[in-house]
Order: sequence, then structure tokens, then C-alpha cells
Amino acid sequence: EVQLVESGGGLVQPGGSLRLSCAASAFPFSRSWMAWVRQAPGKGLEWVAIVNPDGSERAYVDSVKGRFTVSRDNAKNSLFLQMNSLRAEDTAVYYCGRDPEFGAIDIWGQGTMVTVSS
Amino acid sequence: DVVMTQSPLSLSVTLGQPASISCRSSQSVVYSDGNTYLSWFLQRPGQSPRRLIYKISDRDSGVPDRFSGSGSGTDFTLKISSVEAEDFGVYYCMQGSHWPNTFGQGTKLEIK
Repeated sequence: EVQLVESGGGLVQPGGSLRLSCAASAFPFSRSWMAWVRQAPGKGLEWVAIVNPDGSERAYVDSVKGRFTVSRDNAKNSLFLQMNSLRAEDTAVYYCGRDPEFGAIDIWGQGTMVTVSS
Repeated sequence: DVVMTQSPLSLSVTLGQPASISCRSSQSVVYSDGNTYLSWFLQRPGQSPRRLIYKISDRDSGVPDRFSGSGSGTDFTLKISSVEAEDFGVYYCMQGSHWPNTFGQGTKLEIK
């Protein structure tokens, strides 16, 4: 079954760090652009980051630049989001997704909740 | 960044009636290859988003043909020809032609 499964969310204090993981199965992960999208409680969707198939090209929304890093391990069919210097406004459900063509995310994970609070 | 503006933000529709959601971008979302990367997603409560339409009007497999997308340049529309009970949820448009990709605020569709 084609799926993405996120993990690594939790409660972290402001200024802290967290690393999210996304495990992919049943599709050619190593040939896929992959993205992270988040959704704050009760709010809409926000695109966070994207990485190309070999990990050499990445892009971020301005609000996370310099704090978040997207990476991947194609040998393990895994996508990551390293989040540093976390702020209260980073509190959200984080989804990973396959982006086959310019934002048209066709496979979504179930999401993992990140709460930044003291 | 490209700002995507949806209207209305909420919609209450009687079963069997049509529905229409507008999505406008602050600048053209035509990419340099000539394609317009505008997608529509539906998110039901407690679920992950699901893609319905990509490149303005291409419907995903399994998406009923009562859903249709149209538009060009900066003006786009999602139409449901005859709303069914399973269509409730929040609809988002998203442009993928410019980084960062950006979503509209969402339109909540309720069934009367």
C-alpha cells in the first residue's frame, strides 16, 4: 500500500529542537520530490519545505529559513525535518507529502503533532 | 510570496445544488514552461488533505466528475455540479508555480 508515515512529534520548549521523520512505502521514493506542510490548530495549510529526489535542491518558507532543514535518506525511504530554535508559532500538525509536479501533492501522511510550549 | 485568496470562506449548500469556490492569486501562476500549477485539495475533519484537481482542471482518479476546475492566469474556480453529502469539508487551492508554494485560506463547505 502506498503510504507515508510521520513520526517524531511531541512537546518541546521554546528554543528547543525536534526531528521529524517520514517513512515512505510502495512508491519510487528516490525519484520523488518530497514536501512538508503544516497546519496550526484550527488554521489552514502552510507549505513549509521541499527537497528534490537526490537532496541537492531545497526550498523553505521564509518563516522557517535558517531554523529548519529538510533532508532525506533514499536508502531508507525516509524524509526528515530538523527543526531548531522552535517558537510557539511552529505549533502545528506536520504532514509530509509526495510532490509529483509543482505543488500537486498526491500522497499525504497522517501528520504528526508538534507543540512548542513552556 | 504569491498570496492566494479564496472566496467565499464558508458555503452552506443544499444536497443536489451546485457550489462554486473562487481562488485568486496576487500574481500570475503560469510557470515558465507554460503550465499553470494550480491544485485543489479537500480536507475532511480529522483527516489529511486529499488532492482533487491539479494543473487547473485535471481531475485525480477516483474523484467524481461532478468536480471540475477552471480558470487561467490569476483567476481560478472549483465547481461542484451537484453537491453530495460526502463533499463536506474544507477546500484549499494551492499554487506550485513559485516558491514558496502557497495555499488559499480554505473554504468550508457545509451541507444544509
